[in-house]
Amino acid sequence: QQPVQSPQAVILREGEDAVINCSSSKALYSVHWYRQKHGEAPVFLMILLKGGEQKGHEKISASFNEKKQQSSLYLTASQLSYSGTYFCGTEEVGVNDYKLSFGAGTTVTVRA
Amino acid sequence: DGGITQSPKYLFRKEGQNVTLSCEQNLNHDAMYWYRQDPGQGLRLIYYSQIVNDFQKGDIAEGYSVSREKKESFPLTVTSAQKNPTAFYLCASSPRGSGSTDTQYFGPGTRLTVL
Repeated sequence: QQPVQSPQAVILREGEDAVINCSSSKALYSVHWYRQKHGEAPVFLMILLKGGEQKGHEKISASFNEKKQQSSLYLTASQLSYSGTYFCGTEEVGVNDYKLSFGAGTTVTVRA
Repeated sequence: DGGITQSPKYLFRKEGQNVTLSCEQNLNHDAMYWYRQDPGQGLRLIYYSQIVNDFQKGDIAEGYSVSREKKESFPLTVTSAQKNPTAFYLCASSPRGSGSTDTQYFGPGTRLTVL
């Protein structure tokens, strides 16, 4: 089941904050976040496991609310380098097929 | 350096021709994956393999074929049966094939254009 990401796109000025959400109708075991620059491969940012874990990467952090079956990615004090498309990949509880289902992505544009 | 390589970076094909995209990894990962990405869209799974000589269909396997004869190699053939093959193709690998703690690492991609 493909997760739903929101918003589809966001435009920021340097230094502003943003939140990207990833929601599923299924119980999730893990959520993986990636960032993709135009024409390049997605780059792994972080993984969150069932248990409400929160992690960080530079000034990018994420949370995982298993009750809401949702993960949020927080871009804090955004930099120009944060521009790109952010994808979440999810693994469902009890589905041991070694696959990730990816959301459609959120395009982030950071302007000077 | 360890990593995933895909070749070629750009590929042009005439309608009706089969074409094979290469994916090699030297990370000693067990699992490998092929995704298709269309403009403005997410990643759709074509095929995946958890172990040598075994592979499973993903969500959009029609018109594609794969083989996994070696741990480090997972080539994808786009056949003439694929009606709309123009897309960006990404190969990924994962250490143990379990998505729970072992995430997927992506190659640089191959952009296929059908003329």
